[in-house]
Amino acid sequence: DADVTQTPRNRITKTGKRIMLECSQTKGHDRMYWYRQDPGLGLRLIYYSFDVKDINKGEISDGYSVSRQAQAKFSLSLESAIPNQTALYFCATSDLGGRDEQFFGPGTRLTVL
Amino acid sequence: TQLLEQSPQFLSIQEGENLTVYCNSSSVFSSLQWYRQEPGEGPVLLVTVVTGGEVKKLKRLTFQFGDARKDSSLHITAAQPGDTGLYLCAGHRGGYQKVTFGTGTKLQVIP
Repeated sequence: DADVTQTPRNRITKTGKRIMLECSQTKGHDRMYWYRQDPGLGLRLIYYSFDVKDINKGEISDGYSVSRQAQAKFSLSLESAIPNQTALYFCATSDLGGRDEQFFGPGTRLTVL
Repeated sequence: TQLLEQSPQFLSIQEGENLTVYCNSSSVFSSLQWYRQEPGEGPVLLVTVVTGGEVKKLKRLTFQFGDARKDSSLHITAAQPGDTGLYLCAGHRGGYQKVTFGTGTKLQVIP
């Protein structure tokens, strides 16, 4: 079984809709991250959490919100989706106190029409 | 501000050729990681280098950390189509810092 899972794997939605992407991990890691990947732009950090009570904005947090429901669960919400949020979204985990080596989920391909 | 610049951005080569990908920064890192991402999947950690001048080998892949710990390189010998993917470097500054990812190098190996 995969250590980091994401649901859904693919989603097509319309402008203005609220969307939630979910991430679960069985690695027992404290840190969890949400990244966005656009063609030619590498990975950009949206939000990250170092433990259940900790939420931090990344470089592109506008239009997004997150919730850390438990050590193993970290969800990303798009309150009112817009077309330029069409992208690949990745969840990742890392171990507290290590070198922040990242373990990624399989990704969610989101299309906003 | 992008702290880690990778070059080249794109690389298309024939099977059997050698190549080198570079990861450069003006900042010092306590360690540097290399990831490979295949189409439709998330990035996967290949290696972490931690000591200035360190060289690590993973089959046909050779990773080197610069003496000043500001840069790194990835050399692939006799590239195979299975090496095709996006290569990402990521630097860690130690302690409770989070990593910073590079801009990525997209490699295509043509059979």
